[in-house]
Amino acid sequence: NAGVMQNPRHLVRRRGQEARLRCSPMKGHSHVYWYRQLPEEGLKFMVYLQKENIIDESGMPKERFSAEFPKEGPSILRIQQVVRGDSAAYFCASLRGGLGTEAFFGQGTRLTVV
Amino acid sequence: TQLLEQSPQFLSIQEGENLTVYCNSSSVFSSLQWYRQEPGEGPVLLVTVVTGGEVKKLKRLTFQFGDARKDSSLHITAAQPGDTGLYLCAGTGGGADGLTFGKGTHLIIQP
Repeated sequence: NAGVMQNPRHLVRRRGQEARLRCSPMKGHSHVYWYRQLPEEGLKFMVYLQKENIIDESGMPKERFSAEFPKEGPSILRIQQVVRGDSAAYFCASLRGGLGTEAFFGQGTRLTVV
Repeated sequence: TQLLEQSPQFLSIQEGENLTVYCNSSSVFSSLQWYRQEPGEGPVLLVTVVTGGEVKKLKRLTFQFGDARKDSSLHITAAQPGDTGLYLCAGTGGGADGLTFGKGTHLIIQP
C-alpha cells in the first residue's frame, strides 16, 4: 500500500550477522505491527508497538529479536545473530489506532539467511 | 487466546464458478476485516464489517459478518483468474489488543 514504506525490500545476511528491517508508517499513524510470513502460510504476529511503547511482544522470540518505534523515525525490527530459520518475509502494518481501525501493510522485507 | 480459523485452507476452482470462504472464532470481535495478498506483495484491505449481520458488497465479492460477531464469510460470484490470492481475515477486539489474523485461504482460479 502506498504510504507504508518498508526497506529494504530484499535483505541477504550470512549466519551470525545482524538484520535491521525498517518500517515507516503512514502519516498520522501511531501504531505499528510486525508480522512474519513463511511461504504458503498466513501472517504470524510478532509485536505491536505504539510510539515509544511496546504494547504486545508475545509473538516475538525472546532471544535475538527486538523491536522499537521511537518518537522520531521509523520502526525497527532487529534480528541479531541470524540463523537460516529466520529466512522469511517480514511485514509491517500501520494503523491510526483504536479499535476498528484498519491496517495498511507495507510491501515487506524478504530476508534470506545464507 | 483468541483464534480466527479460516476454511478451507486451500481452494482451487475453475473460472466462472462461485465460492465461499469462512472465518470463524469463539470470540466476539468488534470488527472484522478481509485482506487479499498476492505473491510478493503485502496484504491489501478489502473491507471492514462492524455490525452483527452486516453485509457488504464489493463488485463480485460479498462479505457477511455473523449476527453474534464471531464469524464472517466471503462469497465470490463468477470467480476470475484475477481473484487468485491469499485471503486473510482479521479481527479487532475479542479481548486482546490490536489485530488478530487468521492463517488465510489460498485461492486459485484456473482459466
